[in-house]
Order: sequence, then structure tokens, then C-alpha cells
Amino acid sequence: DAGITQSPRHKVTETGTPVTLRCHQTENHRYMYWYRQDPGHGLRLIHYSYGVKDTDKGEVSDGYSVSRSKTEDFLLTLESATSSQTSVYFCAISRDYEQYFGPGTRLTVT
Amino acid sequence: DQQVKQNSPSLSVQEGRISILNCDYTNSMFDYFLWYKKYPAEGPTFLISISSIKDKNEDGRFTVFLNKSAKHLSLHIVPSQPGDSAVYFCAASSVQGGKLIFGQGTELSVKP
Repeated sequence: DAGITQSPRHKVTETGTPVTLRCHQTENHRYMYWYRQDPGHGLRLIHYSYGVKDTDKGEVSDGYSVSRSKTEDFLLTLESATSSQTSVYFCAISRDYEQYFGPGTRLTVT
Repeated sequence: DQQVKQNSPSLSVQEGRISILNCDYTNSMFDYFLWYKKYPAEGPTFLISISSIKDKNEDGRFTVFLNKSAKHLSLHIVPSQPGDSAVYFCAASSVQGGKLIFGQGTELSVKP
């Protein structure tokens, strides 16, 4: 257990609305990540952070932004949600080479 | 371009037999490889890993083999148990603390 929580765990929202997902960790890890999981694609990296206010893009970053104002919190924002962003979102932290994941947020955009 | 590939979407084995899950990669810069297990409605959990300086790593019933020349790794589960039924993802990384590249996953079903 890496002490990672995600909120909300489930969300249904309408196209065009902003959505923010929160990841919280209790172990003071430097690196944090946001992934999305879709059938046939495995997990794909959206954005990651290597410290407070230090973030970078992953392979599927379009339509997403992130912020990290405190070590323990990493926020993922969909500025204007689209149906293609319906997915399960996972946050992760890094310990050496391994990453440890939160329980996920299932987001449905209608 | 899929740098990490799991070509079998699903695998079914009998309880007590060996399960072999395969993974291929294309980037020769990858130097660390991991396997994750995922149950429905849960996050992936780290299972086992291997560094590129090794060709085998064991942890109880789980063994990972790495063939660098073929850019291939495999996960062996012996003996398989019904509780092993899950989706298994392989992943690769080229730098400590860096990004992981995941395969598409293989759904393992272990029949009693």
C-alpha cells in the first residue's frame, strides 16, 4: 500500500464541463503520474510531475492539464470534457523503478 | 508506434498448470521491466520486475525471464491458482523514476 487515494472514485459529467480529479499521497514521494486506461491500449501516460510545480507531458496530454502546488497532491483537470475522455484514470507514485497506483477514478462524459 | 506489445489479449489455463504471459518490446534503450496485475475496479499492483543486466528473476510462484537479443520477456506463474485470474500488464522504463510504457494487457483466466 503506497498511501495513494483518488477522488472522486466515480464521476458522470456532461460534454463541455470542466472536471478536476485529485490524487493524494501520504509518503512524500517526489514523482507522481496520471494515466488513463482504455480497452486495447493498456495504461497511457497523460502527465507527470517530478516535484512541486514541476510537471511535464506524457503521450496523451491533449485536453488535459495538471497542477502540483503541494508534494502530496497532484490534480488532473479536463478543461472542457469530451466523450473521448471517458475512461478510468489512475494516479501513481514512483519508488525507485517501480510505480504504485491508486484505486482509480471512473469518469463518464455524456 | 507501440513500443511494448502483449499480443495475446487473453489466456486460459487449468488450476495447477503453468501460465506463461508474453511481452515484446522494440526500444533497445529500455533497461528495466515490470509486470503488474490488475483486478476489476482496482488499481494495478506491482508484481515483479527485472533489470536488463539479468535474464531471470523469481519471487515465489512468479518468475520473469528476459531475452534481450529477442527483445522479449515472459512471466511464468507456477502453479496457477484461481486467484491469479486478472489482467496482467508488462511495462518498460529507460530511466530510474522515469516514465513507464505499458503493453495492452493480457487477461488470464485460471479454471478450477
